[in-house]
Amino acid sequence: QVQLQESGPGLVKPSGTLSLTCAVSGGSISTHNWWTWVRQPPGKGLEWIGEIYHTGSTNYNPSLTSRVSISIDNSISHFSLRLISVTAADTAVYYCARWTDITGFDSWGQGALVTVSS
Amino acid sequence: EIVLTQSPGTLSLSPGERATLSCRASQSVTSNFLGWYQQKPGQAPRLLIYGASSRATGIPDRFSGTGSGTDFTLTINRLEPEDFAVYFCQEYASTRRTFGQGTKVEIK
Repeated sequence: QVQLQESGPGLVKPSGTLSLTCAVSGGSISTHNWWTWVRQPPGKGLEWIGEIYHTGSTNYNPSLTSRVSISIDNSISHFSLRLISVTAADTAVYYCARWTDITGFDSWGQGALVTVSS
Repeated sequence: EIVLTQSPGTLSLSPGERATLSCRASQSVTSNFLGWYQQKPGQAPRLLIYGASSRATGIPDRFSGTGSGTDFTLTINRLEPEDFAVYFCQEYASTRRTFGQGTKVEIK
């Protein structure tokens, strides 16, 4: 059973950069899956941010594409999220998850709350 | 972009009752690429149903998904105390991975 764990700063200043890493264990990151980021503002719904394949190919939510980048390091089974020029609207719990073409988001991290505030 | 609309927003039921949750898509969902997730407070979502009607590993058979095209339903038979949560539908026919806004199933 693959496990995912987010890590990174819980507080980011406005106009700064949000950076999170997801560690994958219990399975290979170099498989036919997409490694994704999903966020959830407090009390609100889920928003897909983007995804990366082990080859480095990426897809991003068009509403965030100008500010977001996702990278992967297969050697240490990590993938990372970078979101620039953050505002209070980016305050959310950020989840990393595994996406499969057949089943969807079948494994999730526990989530990391990131607050954008000065 | 496919927009998913879930109804009702909140469902108030008692343990043992049946819950019927609706998810309507703004356009047809190709190959029934639609999933349902359960989320409890402070927890990550959990996959319940994929491909509109297939239960994910370890999901009890009181959860069932039906539907095709633009109209999908999640049914929970004989609600257990642990079933009171928020449920999201999600389409994956497109690369947007769009979620519905959620239905909260609360104890009456």
